[in-house]
Amino acid sequence: EAGVTQFPSHSVIEKGQTVTLRCDPISGHDNLYWYRRVMGKEIKFLLHFVKESKQDESGMPNNRFLAERTGGTYSTLKVQPAELEDSGVYFCASSPLLLTGTNEQFFGPGTRLTVL
Amino acid sequence: DAKTTQPPSMDCAEGRAANLPCNHSTISGNEYVYWYRQIHSQGPQYIIHGLKNNETNEMASLIITEDRKSSTLILPHATLRDTAVYYCIVAFSGGYQKVTFGIGTKLQVIP
Repeated sequence: EAGVTQFPSHSVIEKGQTVTLRCDPISGHDNLYWYRRVMGKEIKFLLHFVKESKQDESGMPNNRFLAERTGGTYSTLKVQPAELEDSGVYFCASSPLLLTGTNEQFFGPGTRLTVL
Repeated sequence: DAKTTQPPSMDCAEGRAANLPCNHSTISGNEYVYWYRQIHSQGPQYIIHGLKNNETNEMASLIITEDRKSSTLILPHATLRDTAVYYCIVAFSGGYQKVTFGIGTKLQVIP
């Protein structure tokens, strides 16, 4: 079974440009999460989808960030326009929609974003 | 979610047991203790979780005190590949779960 995949693995862009990160969750996982780690800081939650619906966007830093999950499969996270402080590693995670159970999250390898 | 406290770093000799402590004194009755780890340059990885009984799987053992205010993750025979940052997290099981990562414990396994 394929794990969570993220593309690209690394992106270098200039301030003011736009970047789109993609996450493909494990097949059948309705929960999809985005997290990020800014240099030297803790991993922080950004948002959570259940299928195509945003359930919690409380961690999104500002309106330059737009996440979508059309069709409830893969998700994209767009940063427009990118700022220097957006540099960091963006992780995606998925989990099945269970009322009980482990509910462990399966994380992707991350996308390292560098804004120059 | 309840807050957890972990030592920032620990060393362990290769082949020995690594015992990683975690304090979670404000844990509520239906919150679970989860452990994840992040090996350098990889995404976080789930290790184990428990409510009040001790748990064991192929990766580790989890010992939770009777009052549930603290727990210990045990890697029985640490290898160099276990060098990572280990995160202790308390959260509700099932449904939606927003994982709140703290600083974690940087475990260095020494040859």
